[in-house]
Amino acid sequence: EIVMTQSPATLSVSPGERATLSCRASQSVSSNLAWYQQKPGQAPRLLIYGASTRATGIPARFSGSGSGTEFTLTISSLQSEDFAVYYCQQYNNWLLTFGGGTKVEIK
Amino acid sequence: QLQLQESGSGLVKPSQTLSLTCAVSGGSISSGGYSWSWIRQPPGKGLEWIGYIYHSGSTYYNPSLKSRVTISVDRSKNQFSLKLSSVTAADTAVYYCAVAPPGGYFDYWGQGTLVTVSS
Repeated sequence: EIVMTQSPATLSVSPGERATLSCRASQSVSSNLAWYQQKPGQAPRLLIYGASTRATGIPARFSGSGSGTEFTLTISSLQSEDFAVYYCQQYNNWLLTFGGGTKVEIK
Repeated sequence: QLQLQESGSGLVKPSQTLSLTCAVSGGSISSGGYSWSWIRQPPGKGLEWIGYIYHSGSTYYNPSLKSRVTISVDRSKNQFSLKLSSVTAADTAVYYCAVAPPGGYFDYWGQGTLVTVSS
């Protein structure tokens, strides 16, 4: 099983500031990495796939980078609607695994 | 645009079988290359992939649950189902169905349904 580790667990950011979230895989997943946003009471929403490709309708302030074992999700200027929990997920292996999540909260 | 909707019992007794169905609209469950998954999320915790079924009928299950899980598809009703046997309180969670295009990331999700295991 590929273990996905996200850091930090909680990130306190002011609106308009930049947020940088990290995701590390226990072994290489190439670029087979997705990011999701989840708000309370809602299903996760796909933001990024292929490590860096934005899903349909996702604003350009969201960007993903990395390959192999180290990945980053950057939100360039946080809007009020961006405060949520973010998960990474690898799909390089048939046994799909998620990271534990990073909560982005208002500072 | 695909839409997925979970349904099933919201309360299951310990040792019994949890049964959920995911109705698919806006597309065919027989579409080639797609996988149809179940994912769960215990209250206040992260996401756990349970398993998926391909359009071909092939299934893949998380080894941590494999002995208790069955995912099946009903093409005539355009839906797929989850059965989880011998449930305990640890199986209490919001259960989501989701679809992945060739690749394995989930681009469409159901709204989720809370299943509580309690006597």
